[in-house]
Amino acid sequence: EAQVTQNPRYLITVTGKKLTVTCSQNMNHEYMSWYRQDPGLGLRQIYYSMNVEVTDKGDVPEGYKVSRKEKRNFPLILESPSPNQTSLYFCASSLSPGHLYNEQFFGPGTRLTVL
Amino acid sequence: AQKVTQAQTEISVVEKEDVTLDCVYETRDTTYYLFWYKQPPSGELVFLIRRNSFDEQNEISGRYSWNFQKSTSSFNFTITASQVVDSAVYFCALSVGGSARQLTFGSGTQLTVLP
Repeated sequence: EAQVTQNPRYLITVTGKKLTVTCSQNMNHEYMSWYRQDPGLGLRQIYYSMNVEVTDKGDVPEGYKVSRKEKRNFPLILESPSPNQTSLYFCASSLSPGHLYNEQFFGPGTRLTVL
Repeated sequence: AQKVTQAQTEISVVEKEDVTLDCVYETRDTTYYLFWYKQPPSGELVFLIRRNSFDEQNEISGRYSWNFQKSTSSFNFTITASQVVDSAVYFCALSVGGSARQLTFGSGTQLTVLP
C-alpha cells in the first residue's frame, strides 16, 4: 500500500530534550516536506527536500533541522524543543517537482507536546 | 508570494442543509493548482480535489461540488444535503507553477453538521 508513515504519532517531552520525528514514504517520491498545523493558522511549511541531500527552508524553519540521506526518509529533528513547538506535524511527499498534478500525500500526523 | 484566505472560521448547519465553503486565493503566476483537503476529527488529511488554473470547469462528485472562478480568484466548495459525517475542518490550498515545492494552505473552516 502506497503511504507516508510517521513515528511517533504522539509525543510528550520536556523543554530542551532533543527529539526526532521520522517520516518514510514507499512511493519513490523525490519531493518531501514537513508542515506544522496550529489553530487558526492552517498548515505552514517547515522544510522541504527536492531530492536526496537537497533540503531547503520553508516558512517556519526556526528551531528545526532535517536531513535527506535516503530517498524514502525525511526525519524532522528538534535539537532543543520549546513549548512554542507544541503542534501537530505532518510529513508529505509527492512526485518530482515538475509533475503535472503536484498532489502531495500526507502522513497521519504527529502530535507533539513540549512541556 | 501566494496567499489563500478562508474567511469562514466556523460554520454550523443542520443535517440535510446545503453549505458552501469559501476560498479566495492570490498569486501572480498564471499556472497554479488548487486543492481541497478534509481533516476529520481523527486528524488525517484527506485529499478531495485538485484543479489546475487552465481548467475552469466546475466539478461535481456525489454531494460535493466545486466552483472555480478565475475572475474572482475563488475556488468554493459546496456540500449538498450535508450529513453529520461531513463534520470536519476543510482546507483550501494553492500550489504555484510547475513546482511541487510548497502548498500554501488557508487557515481552514471548521464545519459542524448537527443532527
